[in-house]
Amino acid sequence: NAGVMQNPRHLVRRRGQEARLRCSPMKGHSHVYWYRQLPEEGLKFMVYLQKENIIDESGMPKERFSAEFPKEGPSILRIQQVVRGDSAAYFCASSPPLASDTQYFGPGTRLTVL
Amino acid sequence: QKEVEQNSGPLSVPEGAIASLNCTYSDRVSQSFFWYRQYSGKSPELIMSIYSNGDKEDGRFTAQLNKASQYVSLLIRDSQPSDSATYLCAVNRGGNQFYFGTGTSLTVIP
Repeated sequence: NAGVMQNPRHLVRRRGQEARLRCSPMKGHSHVYWYRQLPEEGLKFMVYLQKENIIDESGMPKERFSAEFPKEGPSILRIQQVVRGDSAAYFCASSPPLASDTQYFGPGTRLTVL
Repeated sequence: QKEVEQNSGPLSVPEGAIASLNCTYSDRVSQSFFWYRQYSGKSPELIMSIYSNGDKEDGRFTAQLNKASQYVSLLIRDSQPSDSATYLCAVNRGGNQFYFGTGTSLTVIP
């Protein structure tokens, strides 16, 4: 049973470009969380999704950031017009339907904005 | 006030000793509590979860919860060099959001 998968593992973008981060949850998991981790800071909740639904996006910046979890395919975190302050590690976590407080983290995507 | 506070460390203990990691949280309605281990450059890995007051043991790890004091701790017995990592405390208030502390860096000295 493969764990949570994220790709790419490293992503370099120039200011103003778009970044797309993908997350495939563990098999059987229907809940996906996205977190951002800045150096020397804790994990910050961004968004919580179930298939085809955004349940809680209260941690997402109001502009430039969006997330989706389509019926088929991975969850996508999209950052438009990236700025240097977006440079961080972005982690996805998934949890099973009946144990939504037990999260399993993917390896993360390290975004660098030049 | 931060939702979850941890001493950033670094905490150094000799091999074989007990490492004690502490965490406080601000919201009394918090319901579930977690400890994660994160090696440098890697993703967090769940070690323990605890939901009720008292101790919960799993191998060399013991989580302790005191809701009256809003305090969670993790004890690592017989510490090994492979335990050297950053330990994250996380709290859930019953909703969708998990609040993480900034982590405590632990070094186990051989």
